[in-house]
Amino acid sequence: DAGITQSPRHKVTETGTPVTLRCHQTENHRYMYWYRQDPGHGLRLIHYSYGVKDTDKGEVSDGYSVSRSKTEDFLLTLESATSSQTSVYFCAISAGGREQETQYFGPGTRLLVL
Amino acid sequence: AQKITQTQPGMFVQEKEAVTLDCTYDTSDQSYGLFWYKQPSSGEMIFLIYQGSYDEQNATEGRYSLNFQKARKSANLVISASQLGDSAMYFCAMREATGGFKTIFGAGTRLFVKA
Repeated sequence: DAGITQSPRHKVTETGTPVTLRCHQTENHRYMYWYRQDPGHGLRLIHYSYGVKDTDKGEVSDGYSVSRSKTEDFLLTLESATSSQTSVYFCAISAGGREQETQYFGPGTRLLVL
Repeated sequence: AQKITQTQPGMFVQEKEAVTLDCTYDTSDQSYGLFWYKQPSSGEMIFLIYQGSYDEQNATEGRYSLNFQKARKSANLVISASQLGDSAMYFCAMREATGGFKTIFGAGTRLFVKA
């Protein structure tokens, strides 16, 4: 199994508060990703990183920011949480960024915004 | 337009029988990768199998095989000898050469294995 952990695993927060989710990997992979999973939508990419301090937006990036100061850590911040951001958040990693590279997923974080 | 289509929201299969989960995809790229993931009720996403667009042979991984029909743009997952532990959600996914790093997922098929 890929060495990926996410913290916290569950979180309940209130609308308008900032929230930070952490993804930590022990594989030394260059690429890291944040997805959200919602019923009927499958998984959708929020942001990704292709190296330390190198990040870019995915398809549903509004309201989210990311940071990567170390290879092993990728942080996702909800700047001001809204109820529409209630979701399950998955971090993923891959050794490379090409189309044949498999992405391996962390265990997920369940976030409820009240 | 949906890039990954899984037309079976739910399926039942008898234990020890084989089952095919359908997946069709849409891309104009010549180079792409196709993936299947399993999501059990515990919630994690488990990688099962990969097929490259240039691979001439169908991928196999233990009881999993991928029936790749490039001209029809289909990448069906075949699970042989189903087990109770195969009950889960299954997602088909694709990465395109021009897709900008993201993996595109289908909506999933929930498989129920009956004893």
